[in-house]
Amino acid sequence: DVKVTQSSRYLVKRTGEKVFLECVQDMDHENMFWYRQDPGLGLRLIYFSYDVKMKEKGDIPEGYSVSREKKERFSLILESASTNQTSMYLCASSRTRGLPYNEQFFGPGTRLTVL
Amino acid sequence: AQKVTQAQTEISVVEKEDVTLDCVYETRDTTYYLFWYKQPPSGELVFLIRRNSFDEQNEISGRYSWNFQKSTSSFNFTITASQVVDSAVYFCALSELENNDMRFGAGTRLTVKP
Repeated sequence: DVKVTQSSRYLVKRTGEKVFLECVQDMDHENMFWYRQDPGLGLRLIYFSYDVKMKEKGDIPEGYSVSREKKERFSLILESASTNQTSMYLCASSRTRGLPYNEQFFGPGTRLTVL
Repeated sequence: AQKVTQAQTEISVVEKEDVTLDCVYETRDTTYYLFWYKQPPSGELVFLIRRNSFDEQNEISGRYSWNFQKSTSSFNFTITASQVVDSAVYFCALSELENNDMRFGAGTRLTVKP
């Protein structure tokens, strides 16, 4: 079974702090994704990556950056956290680039609160 | 860009009732893929089904069934004889051949009461 893990289930940070959200998958998937989930808005794509050291902007990249130094790990970085970044963050992975029929496998999510 | 609409924000039913969750999509691509995911209270999205744009056959899996109609751009999900364990948020999603990142609807929260 594919397993996608996220470093924290719950996180509380202060405005202006730098925040790192870590995601690791154990099935050698090429693609990794970061979403945020907000009530009434569903899942919105922040960034994704098709390969190590590659990244692509999603629909709402402002205020975020990502890092993919190893195939299995995809990090989401909030350079200076703000209260409007309080949300549930979901990481996902899928097998191979160029195969849109691949389902994505999700981690359990990190509920981030920025005070 | 592709778009997915789930007009039903919340649905509440009593156990053993049938319930249909609606999903309407927009795409300019002729090749695309539709998905349904379930998000139980634990938070982790679980993949339920995938359909490609060339296969309009309906699918049944136990109490779950899916109705794909290209003519109305809809991919609806029906749960027959609902159970309390079906309570979750359900997401419909679309992935295009051109841009194979996935786009999700806003989700429908289903509550099944005993």
